[in-house]
Amino acid sequence: EAQVTQNPRYLITVTGKKLTVTCSQNMNHEYMSWYRQDPGLGLRQIYYSMNVEVTDKGDVPEGYKVSRKEKRNFPLILESPSPNQTSLYFCASRPWTSGARSTDTQYFGPGTRLTVL
Amino acid sequence: SQQGEEDPQALSIQEGENATMNCSYKTSINNLQWYRQNSGRGLVHLILIRSNEREKHSGRLRVTLDTSKKSSSLLITASRAADTASYFCARNDYKLSFGAGTTVTVRA
Repeated sequence: EAQVTQNPRYLITVTGKKLTVTCSQNMNHEYMSWYRQDPGLGLRQIYYSMNVEVTDKGDVPEGYKVSRKEKRNFPLILESPSPNQTSLYFCASRPWTSGARSTDTQYFGPGTRLTVL
Repeated sequence: SQQGEEDPQALSIQEGENATMNCSYKTSINNLQWYRQNSGRGLVHLILIRSNEREKHSGRLRVTLDTSKKSSSLLITASRAADTASYFCARNDYKLSFGAGTTVTVRA
């Protein structure tokens, strides 16, 4: 089954304790991205990656890091989480074969609900 | 930045009624997509409309696009309780830019 998986699904942590949220897709997609969703603000893109070793900042990258060492995985790293990073996080992927004019839809993971105390 | 702005923010209708929500955007697009999100879950793609298309249908969904007004609308006909969800439009460029969404509640 084609899917995007995220782990963990729920996480409660404390300020300053480094954490990683994993994301994996089995569709051989080139493009992967991370979003955060907050009430009234919709989804905002944190980082995206157009292929292995190619990553770039989205709209709200501060406080986050990513890596793309393998095509299927795109982990999100919070080196020193703070309470304002409490949010619902989504990983997504899609093909990148036709670039910016792509009509390919994006597949979303189930979400990770993070609480930073 | 939010490139797709949905209106209204919330909508409550009776089962069987139609639901219409609108999306405005600020810059030129290649295509615009609509997604649905059930509470706390991931987004699911509903329909994509290209910039050279004016209307598209998929089951009970009808999407229109007016590039001169930089706006799109999503119509759900004969709504069902299962249509209760949040609906987002997204401008598709090298990334998808989402608005804050419209929360639709269908009352039985």
